[in-house]
Amino acid sequence: DVKVTQSSRYLVKRTGEKVFLECVQDMDHENMFWYRQDPGLGLRLIYFSYDVKMKEKGDIPEGYSVSREKKERFSLILESASTNQTSMYLCASIQTGDSYEQYFGPGTRLTVT
Amino acid sequence: KNEVEQSPQNLTAQEGEFITINCSYSVGISALHWLQQHPGGGIVSLFMLSSGKKKHGRLIATINIQEKHSSLHITASHPRDSAVYICAVREGGNKLVFGAGTILRVKS
Repeated sequence: DVKVTQSSRYLVKRTGEKVFLECVQDMDHENMFWYRQDPGLGLRLIYFSYDVKMKEKGDIPEGYSVSREKKERFSLILESASTNQTSMYLCASIQTGDSYEQYFGPGTRLTVT
Repeated sequence: KNEVEQSPQNLTAQEGEFITINCSYSVGISALHWLQQHPGGGIVSLFMLSSGKKKHGRLIATINIQEKHSSLHITASHPRDSAVYICAVREGGNKLVFGAGTILRVKS
């Protein structure tokens, strides 16, 4: 059974803290994504990676960075957390080819106080 | 950039009712996805369409490429169908553009 896991389901951090969100997939997928989900806005792409050490900005990269040192792991970093980064963060990886199915992690609900 | 609009935003139905959720988009696409998100966050893929119609159990998805419109139908709805249903389009490559989602509640 395919699986995408995220390091935390719930996280509370203080303004200014550095925050690491980790995502691991066991499907040998090359493409991985970080989204944030806010009410009424849907999922918005923060960053994606199409290979180890490769990354591209999505639609809302400001205030975030990413790291992909190994194929199975894609990390999202909030360099200095702010209250407007309070959100649900979802990681996904994609099966390319005929299906192009995205597999999502369970999400991390981050609250920045 | 593609604009993806879903309607309705919220939907409450009685158990057994036939449900339709609509999705329209503004720019030509290579495929359209329907996703389901249950309370607690996990998202699962229901369908990927590039033309015509697909059926899986009580769920049916259709797409009209010319009209840039897709519908997701649920027949004989059940309370366990309560979830957020999300439409997403792929223009090319591997990135998706998502609609805001439709919150469905099915009452028994």
